[in-house]
Amino acid sequence: NAGVTQTPKFQVLKTGQSMTLQCAQDMNHNSMYWYRQDPGMGLRLIYYSASEGTTDKGEVPNGYNVSRLNKREFSLRLESAAPSQTSVYFCASTASSGSTDTQYFGPGTRLTVL
Amino acid sequence: SQQGEEDPQALSIQEGENATMNCSYKTSINNLQWYRQNSGRGLVHLILIRSNEREKHSGRLRVTLDTSKKSSSLLITASRAADTASYFCATDNNNDMRFGAGTRLTVKP
Repeated sequence: NAGVTQTPKFQVLKTGQSMTLQCAQDMNHNSMYWYRQDPGMGLRLIYYSASEGTTDKGEVPNGYNVSRLNKREFSLRLESAAPSQTSVYFCASTASSGSTDTQYFGPGTRLTVL
Repeated sequence: SQQGEEDPQALSIQEGENATMNCSYKTSINNLQWYRQNSGRGLVHLILIRSNEREKHSGRLRVTLDTSKKSSSLLITASRAADTASYFCATDNNNDMRFGAGTRLTVKP
C-alpha cells in the first residue's frame, strides 16, 4: 500500500494563478482532510470530507475549494492564488469519521505564491 | 484558532536522557493524539489516548492525559539522535482536529 499520496511535492505560483493539489489514498478510508501548516501555527484544517460525496468547511476554508472525486481522491483547488496561501499542505485520511481513528498523512505539498 | 499548545517550543537534550513535552488545550475532546514530523516530511502518528484514558504506553513513549487540567504530556525515554524531530499534539472533538504549534526536539549524540 502506498498510503496517502500527494502531488505535486513542490509548486511555485504567481499571484492570481490557479492550481489543484491532488490527494489519493489506497486504504479504503471514508474520511479525508486537507490541512495547511504555517511556521509557528501548527496545522489548520481547511476542508474535510467525511464520506464520498460530502465535503465540509474546516477552520480556514476561504480561498479554497475541494472536490471528493471518489472514495480514493480528494483534491484541493486554489482558484486565484495569493501570497498568504504560501504554506505546506497536507492531506490525511481516516477509516471513518469516528473519534477513535488515527489520521494518516501524506508527505505534503510545499506551495509558494509570489 | 489553535486548540493545542505545546510546551516547550524547543527542547535540546543529550542522547540517553528523557524528553518531556506538554500540551494544553481549551475545549472538551474525544481523544488526543501525538504526531512526529521529521524535517521536510509528513506527519507520523505516534499514539492516541482517549478522553477516558489517563495513561498509555508505546515502546519508549508514555503519554498521560489529565482532562480536568486539559493537558497531556509526552515522555520519550532513553532518547536517541533519531528522535530529533518536531512533535505535535492534536485534539479531536467530534472530527474537528486541532493541532498545536509543536515542540522542536533536538537530541545530541
